[in-house]
Amino acid sequence: KAGVTQTPRYLIKTRGQQVTLSCSPISGHRSVSWYQQTPGQGLQFLFEYFSETQRNKGNFPGRFSGRQFSNSRSEMNVSTLELGDSALYLCASSSDWGLNEQFFGPGTRLTVL
Amino acid sequence: AQKITQTQPGMFVQEKEAVTLDCTYDTSDPSYGLFWYKQPSSGEMIFLIYQGSYDQQNATEGRYSLNFQKARKSANLVISASQLGDSAMYFCAMREGMNRDDKIIFGKGTRLHILP
Repeated sequence: KAGVTQTPRYLIKTRGQQVTLSCSPISGHRSVSWYQQTPGQGLQFLFEYFSETQRNKGNFPGRFSGRQFSNSRSEMNVSTLELGDSALYLCASSSDWGLNEQFFGPGTRLTVL
Repeated sequence: AQKITQTQPGMFVQEKEAVTLDCTYDTSDPSYGLFWYKQPSSGEMIFLIYQGSYDQQNATEGRYSLNFQKARKSANLVISASQLGDSAMYFCAMREGMNRDDKIIFGKGTRLHILP
């Protein structure tokens, strides 16, 4: 069974631009969660989607948004990028929402210049 | 206040020795879950072990065990017979409440180095 895939793996953007990250969960998994990881703040929860509905949201500004498609693939969008948005963005999938065991993808490393 | 505290930013351990990674947590909710994840340099987070607040016994998964001391609000990860491949960042995390809407909160992590 293929694991969680994230594209792209690396991304360089400039301030003010917007970016879209993609996550494909494990086949059959319907829940996708997104996390931001930075050296200063550590791992922080962004949001969780299940069956195309946002189930949970972390404390991030409205510039961070996401969606989930009918095939469970999820996208995360960040608009008006700031330098502080440079981070590793991790996606995790589970078979049901709120379950304890999540399977993580390799992450997308975003650098904002 | 920090919900999850990992006091060891880094640790060096000789191969084949046992390792204990510390984690303390703070919650007033009687229902919660505790997790440990491993993050190698590749960046991918790997789920290791889970302990529920009402679980009577300490969780074990192969070489990993969780030393759960509820009164002390401590959930230390023990790795027996460490291997070079255990070198990685390790994160302790907690989900408060058994409501599936509750978020998972991560600690800052401990970087473990296994020495040959």
